[in-house]
This record gives sequence, structure tokens and C-alpha cells, in this order.
Amino acid sequence: ETGVTQSPTHLIKTRGQQVTLRCSSQSGHNTVSWYQQALGQGPQFIFQYYREEENGRGNFPPRFSGLQFPNYSSELNVNALELDDSALYLCASSKVIPGLAGGPGDTQYFGPGTRLTVL
Amino acid sequence: SQELEQSPQSLIVQEGKNLTINCTSSKTLYGLYWYKQKYGEGLIFLMMLQKGGEEKSHEKITAKLDEKKQQSSLHITASQPSHAGIYLCGADNDYKLSFGAGTTVTVRA
Repeated sequence: ETGVTQSPTHLIKTRGQQVTLRCSSQSGHNTVSWYQQALGQGPQFIFQYYREEENGRGNFPPRFSGLQFPNYSSELNVNALELDDSALYLCASSKVIPGLAGGPGDTQYFGPGTRLTVL
Repeated sequence: SQELEQSPQSLIVQEGKNLTINCTSSKTLYGLYWYKQKYGEGLIFLMMLQKGGEEKSHEKITAKLDEKKQQSSLHITASQPSHAGIYLCGADNDYKLSFGAGTTVTVRA
């Protein structure tokens, strides 16, 4: 069984640039969530994708956008990068079963993360 | 919004000693997750608790959810160097997890 993978591992960008981060979900999972983790803090929820549509969003501006593909992989795009966007970006996948919210399938399994540095 | 407070923020324990981490929620917990994170890496799922009074164990790690479902604890027995890392509690809020700031555990030989 393949776990959650993310690419790239590290990335350095300058202010104003755009970045795309990629995530492959764990085999059998249909839902992908993205989190931002600043140094010394817990992860903050950005958004979740289910059936290729956004299924909930945290307190992040529209310049954070995403996609989910038919194979359940996902991308996180950030436009007009700011210095405060420097963080570890984590992707998590889960197997949501409609009508069975709260079950063990909701457990989110995380990838290794992408470290983004904005200069 | 649901907020989670973890205590202590960090701790140093002698190898072989026990340790306990607490996680207190501002609202009722309907699902509480414990994860472990090595610095700068992804989160590793440890355990999930849902029912008040529930207790789960895996190897030397035990997690409990109190009856009122507003507090959880993580207890490690006879700590080893492999237990070092950042422990995070996360509350299930429908489609998202809300996390505490984490507890950094250092195990001294």
C-alpha cells in the first residue's frame, strides 16, 4: 500500500511569484486536505477536496487555490507569494464514506510535507 | 471555532521514565486524534478517540478521552529515544482537523 507522497520536498521562491505543490493520496483514499504549518505552531486547515470539488475551506485568502484530479491526487496553488507564506505545507488523505461521517475512514494520513521558503 | 490547548509546551524526560501530555478543548470533542511529528516532517497517526471515557493503547502509548469529552491525555510508559518528537492533538470539526500547538518531547539517555 502506497502512502501519501508530496513534491517537491523543498522550494524557494521570491515575493510575488506563484507556486504549485503536488500531493498523491494514499491508495484507496478519495479525499485530500491541505494544511499550512508555520514554525512552532500546529497545522492550520487550508481546504479539502472530495470528488474533485472543494469541500470546505479555512481562513485563507483566494490566492490559495487547489485542484483534485480523477485519480484523487491534488495540487495546491499559491499566487502572489508573501513572506508569511513561508511554512511547511502538509497534504493529508482520507477515505470518506458518504453518510458515515465520523467513522474510522475519516482518519487523515499525512504526507512528508513541502517546505516553502519565500524570500 | 474550536481551540485546543496542549500542556506542557515541551518536556525533557530521562529514558525509562513515564510522561503525560494533556490536550484541553474549548468545546466538546467529537473526535480527537493524536499525531507524532519529527521536526520538519509529516504527521504520523497514533490514535483516535471518540467516546467519553474511551482509552486506547498501542505499544507503550496510552490515550484517554475524559467523560465530558473536553480533555484528552497521552501517556508514554518507560520512554525510549524513539519517543522523541512533537506530539499534536487534533479535533475533528466535520471535514477538517483543528490542532493544538504541539508538545515537544526530548528523551535523555
